[in-house]
Amino acid sequence: GEDVEQSLFLSVREGDSSVINCTYTDSSSTYLYWYKQEPGAGLQLLTYIFSNMDMKQDQRLTVLLNKKDKHLSLRIADTQTGDSAIYFCAERVTGRRALTFGSGTRLQVQP
Amino acid sequence: DTEVTQTPKHLVMGMTNKKSLKCEQHMGHRAMYWYKQKAKKPPELMFVYSYEKLSINESVPSRFSPECPNSSLLNLHLHALQPEDSALYLCASSQERGGAGPKEQFFGPGTRLTVL
Repeated sequence: GEDVEQSLFLSVREGDSSVINCTYTDSSSTYLYWYKQEPGAGLQLLTYIFSNMDMKQDQRLTVLLNKKDKHLSLRIADTQTGDSAIYFCAERVTGRRALTFGSGTRLQVQP
Repeated sequence: DTEVTQTPKHLVMGMTNKKSLKCEQHMGHRAMYWYKQKAKKPPELMFVYSYEKLSINESVPSRFSPECPNSSLLNLHLHALQPEDSALYLCASSQERGGAGPKEQFFGPGTRLTVL
């Protein structure tokens, strides 16, 4: 079955790196996504990774995927106060359109 | 243009009212979605349209009635809602093509609905 889990809260200081973790259970996931949601706003797609990849880098964002452990992480380098938001990981299982979202991690960046 | 727009931004309605939420995209996406998001929770899928036809209904109560009048527009008609239906309603769209591909879903800003 599908189940995606995230830790609820992460606090970092401005300029530090943030690492947000996610675990999933469905081994037939094909794509895994990271979304950012600021207060009162919709979801902004940050990046995604195909399940046969180990790593993807996009500017300050690095996604690591350990398929054996079903563990996904998002690293934000040089975290800024504007990065404060809720971050959702999501998986899409082969043959399905629907995304299964994790519970979201609230990232708080302290100046 | 990677924008999905939604109107209205906020909506307050009574339990006897009829209202509609609207969503529009001009990315040529042929899959469109409605999600419901309660406070401090992840989005939950309600409906999926593919090529203007309803393909997924996640057992949503009939007081929510989706409509896809054309490939760019998606509506959600609301009637006789309950206070527990108060939530952020998010629309999303994605490419609909055969085979593999990320099929990223792009979300609108949402409509904040309050049912009194």
